[in-house]
This record gives sequence, C-alpha cells and structure tokens, in this order.
Amino acid sequence: KQEVTQIPAALSVPEGENLVLNCSFTDSAIYNLQWFRQDPGKGLTSLLLIQSSQREQTSGRLNASLDKSSGRSTLYIAASQPGDSATYLCAVGGITGTASKLTFGTGTRLQVTL
Amino acid sequence: GAGVSQSPSNKVTEKGKDVELRCDPISGHTALYWYRQSLGQGLEFLIYFQGNSAPDKSGLPSDRFSAERTGGSVSTLTIQRTQQEDSAVYLCASKLLLTSGGLSTDTQYFGPGTRLTVL
Repeated sequence: KQEVTQIPAALSVPEGENLVLNCSFTDSAIYNLQWFRQDPGKGLTSLLLIQSSQREQTSGRLNASLDKSSGRSTLYIAASQPGDSATYLCAVGGITGTASKLTFGTGTRLQVTL
Repeated sequence: GAGVSQSPSNKVTEKGKDVELRCDPISGHTALYWYRQSLGQGLEFLIYFQGNSAPDKSGLPSDRFSAERTGGSVSTLTIQRTQQEDSAVYLCASKLLLTSGGLSTDTQYFGPGTRLTVL
C-alpha cells in the first residue's frame, strides 16, 4: 500500500526566503506526482504535475522535482511571499490503468511572515 | 465554464440521518473522484467514475456509503445512517482523460468541498 509522507508538517519563514518542501513515497511504481495548495476553507488548487517519466516541472516561482527511484519529490518556492501561506499537499498517482487514483500526504502548513 | 462545484458547502446532521452530497464536475470531464478529508488526516480516496465503466469503489469505508453518477456528469455521494466519525470535508474532483492540444490532462481539478458535521 502506497504511503506518502511530507516533511516538515509546518514551516514559518520570513518573506523573501527560498524554501523547500519534501515529499516521500514508499512505492516507486507511480503514474505521476502532483503538488497542490489548500487554503483554509477552500478546495485544492493544482500547482504542478510531474509524470513518472519526468524529472521536474516549473511554474513561475515554483519548481517541483521527482526522483522516482528514491521515492522523493521536492517543491521549491523561490522568493516566498505572504500570499504563499497555505497548506501544500503532495499526491501520488498510482498505476491503475487510467484511474490515477491519488494517495495524499498529510501536508506541510506554510506561513510566510512579513 | 466554471470549475467543479459542490453543494451544500456545509451540512450539519444528526446521527442516524441520511445525507446526500452533490458534485458538478467541469463540463466535458470524463473522470470524477470523491475524497474525504478528516480532521488531522490526509485526504483519502473514496470512489472513482470513468465514463460508462463500473466505478472503482475500493475506497468506500462501509456499505453505508454509496455514490452514483447520472448521465456521465453530476454525481451524488450518499451516506446512510450517519455516524459521528463520518464528520469530514468531502471533496470532489474531475479530470479530462483525453489529450487536447498537448496540454497535460492528468491534473485533477477539485471543488471547494462539503463540510459535513454529524452531531
């Protein structure tokens, strides 16, 4: 059974800092890996999706990497802003045909302070 | 047009009552998922619909939970004889499986969720 772990559980950084969020998974036979952010009382917003054949994806100040063999992914946020404050979730898509059922980590709660 | 919508946004019910939660996926999305997010826990998969195929119900926690998807669009998650441990945020997501213009189509788009409280 796939298990996804995110470290740290919570993180507080001053505005402008670069930071890295970590995600690890136990079964390397994955279909894809997706990073989401969740704002309080709201649904999930997809940030980046990395297919199993890819090593990284970039969008603006965000960069996500995937090392499937070691079961790790990182989300790098450059020049953090208070608006980045949210919970960041890592989710792994399993190889089940086209279902790509997601297994989620418990998230990293990020606070960016002024 | 709009993203995934869910209703109601909040639902408070008494233990033992039945509840129905509704999900309207993005138009044209062929795949639909239900997840549950309990307090202090990660999201857990409940059920998956894809077109006319039999749904994947492997994540449903008990036979009190059921879901259907009518006409390949709107889905309803029903919880019978609710228990306090059913209290959670129930999230729906949809996905387009066919490639289009080279854009990634594996992304699941989530609705805002329904917060269910069982007293």
